[in-house]
Amino acid sequence: NAGVTQTPKFRILKIGQSMTLQCTQDMNHNYMYWYRQDPGMGLKLIYYSVGAGITDKGEVPNGYNVSRSTTEDFPLRLELAAPSQTSVYFCASSPSRDRKHFGDGTRLSIL
Amino acid sequence: QQQVKQSPQSLIVQKGGISIINCAYENTAFDYFPWYQQFPGKGPALLIAIRPDVSEKKEGRFTISFNKSAKQFSLHIMDSQPGDSATYFCAASGNRDDKIIFGKGTRLHILP
Repeated sequence: NAGVTQTPKFRILKIGQSMTLQCTQDMNHNYMYWYRQDPGMGLKLIYYSVGAGITDKGEVPNGYNVSRSTTEDFPLRLELAAPSQTSVYFCASSPSRDRKHFGDGTRLSIL
Repeated sequence: QQQVKQSPQSLIVQKGGISIINCAYENTAFDYFPWYQQFPGKGPALLIAIRPDVSEKKEGRFTISFNKSAKQFSLHIMDSQPGDSATYFCAASGNRDDKIIFGKGTRLHILP
């Protein structure tokens, strides 16, 4: 099984540009999550979903949007990229609220 | 009340020694306490987890000790090996909450 796959692995954006971070999982998990990880700050929840068609805000949702049209995919959209959004983004999935499976991350720089 | 405080920020241990990482929480509604291990360039991976109905859980060289009254839990790595060098995150969540709160992480380095 591929598990949780994130694309791209690296990206550089200019201020004001937009992009979509892709996340797909092949484990038929209902729960999916987006986190950002900044040095020395742990992981902060951006958005999460408990099933197709259902999304909710996490701790740091400003500047981001998500959609969940299928069980497998949970893309994260950045509109009007800002330097504060430079971070490593992790997608995760789980069959319940426990036992999260993480992807290997997308390293995003906003210049 | 939603914080999980983790210490130390970094830790250096000799090969064969015991690595100890501590976490404290405030929210008494938390009922699930996992530890995640993260290697450079990779996502976190679930290492071991405990629920507050037990005071200790052991899986191989990894043990979680849980003190409900003190609202503290810790990870012990026995016979630490260079391959254990990674960043470790404690976390907590409540039974009515789909979100999980992470500590800020501990960078562990095991000297060969």
